[in-house]
Amino acid sequence: AQSVAQPEDQVNVAEGNPLTVKCTYSVSGNPYLFWYVQYPNRGLQFLLKYITGDNLVKGSYGFEAEFNKSQTSFHLKKPSALVSDSALYFCAVRDEGGSYIPTFGRGTSLIVHP
Amino acid sequence: EPEVTQTPSHQVTQMGQEVILRCVPISNHLYFYWYRQILGQKVEFLVSFYNNEISEKSEIFDDQFSVERPDGSNFTLKIRSTKLEDSAMYFCASSEATDYSNQPQHFGDGTRLSIL
Repeated sequence: AQSVAQPEDQVNVAEGNPLTVKCTYSVSGNPYLFWYVQYPNRGLQFLLKYITGDNLVKGSYGFEAEFNKSQTSFHLKKPSALVSDSALYFCAVRDEGGSYIPTFGRGTSLIVHP
Repeated sequence: EPEVTQTPSHQVTQMGQEVILRCVPISNHLYFYWYRQILGQKVEFLVSFYNNEISEKSEIFDDQFSVERPDGSNFTLKIRSTKLEDSAMYFCASSEATDYSNQPQHFGDGTRLSIL
């Protein structure tokens, strides 16, 4: 079975400060991990993924995520937040040996204050 | 950049009526999906479709739901005898054929379905 948790419903950060949106996962085998962003009245937009290789993955719009196998985490990060980063962020996981349908987290609302 | 397009953007339907939601996936994609999202919260998987048949479906996808690819471009979700709890945003997504298991899904902007 595969599952993913986003422990924070909302994250608030000041513009220019670093941001972190947390994600932890549970799978039986190797994880495939994804981050998506959703702006108001829009569909989910792919940001980045981890399949294998370097634990630090870089994606769109200056976002990056760090895969930590021992902590079963895949936190999304950005060194300097922008007001335009304010959106809903979804983490998703797929178990390499399981269903090819990813399981999405409940989403974390990121609010960047000017 | 190619996009997944969905129509209509908003559908209002009386309870008990049938509704068809339409999607045009990205042209070279061969895997198609429907998801729903209630009140901007959790994204719930409904069904996946490949090679003109359902690949996987969730427990939400009961006999009330059906999907079809009637031609080479459209992918539809039909909900028969709609219920109040079917009110949600419905998202269509598609992904590439090659090594689909770790390819990201490309989502449309959704259809907001309101059941009265």
